[in-house]
Amino acid sequence: QKEVEQNSGPLSVPEGAIASLNCTYSDRGSQSFFWYRQYSGKSPELIMFIYSNGDKEDGRFTAQLNKASQYVSLLIRDSQPSDSATYLCAVKSAAGNTPLVFGQGTRLSVIA
Amino acid sequence: GAGVSQTPSNKVTEKGKYVELRCDPISGHTALYWYRQSLGQGPEFLIYFQGTGAADDSGLPNDRFFAVRPEGSVSTLKIQRTERGDSAVYLCASSYGQGNTEAFFGQGTRLTVV
Repeated sequence: QKEVEQNSGPLSVPEGAIASLNCTYSDRGSQSFFWYRQYSGKSPELIMFIYSNGDKEDGRFTAQLNKASQYVSLLIRDSQPSDSATYLCAVKSAAGNTPLVFGQGTRLSVIA
Repeated sequence: GAGVSQTPSNKVTEKGKYVELRCDPISGHTALYWYRQSLGQGPEFLIYFQGTGAADDSGLPNDRFFAVRPEGSVSTLKIQRTERGDSAVYLCASSYGQGNTEAFFGQGTRLTVV
């Protein structure tokens, strides 16, 4: 079982719709969770991070964390064609200084 | 500098050759990470430095891979006797290090072994 799992997609949504991206993780001790966006041929760019159970909103983006279910999601409201990219979920454990563990990413396509 | 800088941006080398990839982290960031990303996959962890020392090198695939960070800033990833399977984008990231701090990535070095 992979440590961080994401559906590779592609996930296609129409412009203006809500895109929902999901991620599950295996390490119950994980403490911090990150969403990165990666355009084709570019490096990952941090969108949001979340540490506590519940929702965290930043503009059109909402991160949701449920530690009991070991589940983190990213919602993108009013999706735009410019949101089309691969979204990477990354998890950091509580065990001191540890690196981020990434999922394989979900490819999102927003159709105009 | 303003962001994480990686050089070269592209490197083509022949099988069996030695290569060095350089990463210059964000000023003041004590933690530095190397990842490798193959097409269609997420970044795969290689090695992590906290200051000058390698805090975790468990992701290095074999002893052909080695990385240093002698002064706690710039890091060099070294690959000996390159193989075609080493072809990938090598990403470097840095962060303030301690605790739950986010990491910022450089643009990567695309390594092609022919």
